[in-house]
Amino acid sequence: QFQLQQWGAGLLKVSETLSLTCAVYGGSFGDDYYTWVRLPPGEGLEWIGEVSHTGITIYNPSFESRVTMSVDKSKNQVSLRLTSVTAADTAVYFCGRGHSYTWQYWGQGTLVTVSS
Amino acid sequence: QSALTQPASVSGSPGQSITISCTGTSSDIGAYDYVSWYQRHPGKGPKLIISHVSSRPSGVSYRFSGSKFGNTASLTISGLQAEDEAHYYCSSYTTGRTYVFGSGTKVTVL
Repeated sequence: QFQLQQWGAGLLKVSETLSLTCAVYGGSFGDDYYTWVRLPPGEGLEWIGEVSHTGITIYNPSFESRVTMSVDKSKNQVSLRLTSVTAADTAVYFCGRGHSYTWQYWGQGTLVTVSS
Repeated sequence: QSALTQPASVSGSPGQSITISCTGTSSDIGAYDYVSWYQRHPGKGPKLIISHVSSRPSGVSYRFSGSKFGNTASLTISGLQAEDEAHYYCSSYTTGRTYVFGSGTKVTVL
């Protein structure tokens, strides 16, 4: 059973860069895909993008200009960077792992608050 | 890409059955059988309960079932239990090679 543990700065100021890391425990990094989604307060889940185990990325067009996802197989970690944050980026961010067009494992979530 | 449309809330009494709808378009739900459903309890990460429209992962209760007709997918919870009170989200792969989630449904057990 895989476990995903995530961490990163929880309080940012407008225009700063959001940076989160998700570590995979309980097995190999594998051939799976890794995703980041977020849950803004009072809203539904929003898909940010996906990175393959080889580092190939596909992003939600809404984030294309600001987002970077990457993998570090030596550390069994994936990372998310989102530049130029605004208050609208305040949300709980989740990393997920999966294959076959779905995600079987999820992290516990990281609350990121953007203040002015 | 617009979020898939779900009812904001659905409620039922213990033992009853409830159904949550998830409406998309011919570019997402209608295009592929890659619809998933996730359950999320407060303070926790999502849990996969249905994949590929109607497949139940190992360990997920048989009380959860999924279906799809056209551009609308549905999740049915039968024999509603107190532990089923949570938020539920649908998700679909799209023709743009991206994914889209639903707006989320809060299930309340009366």
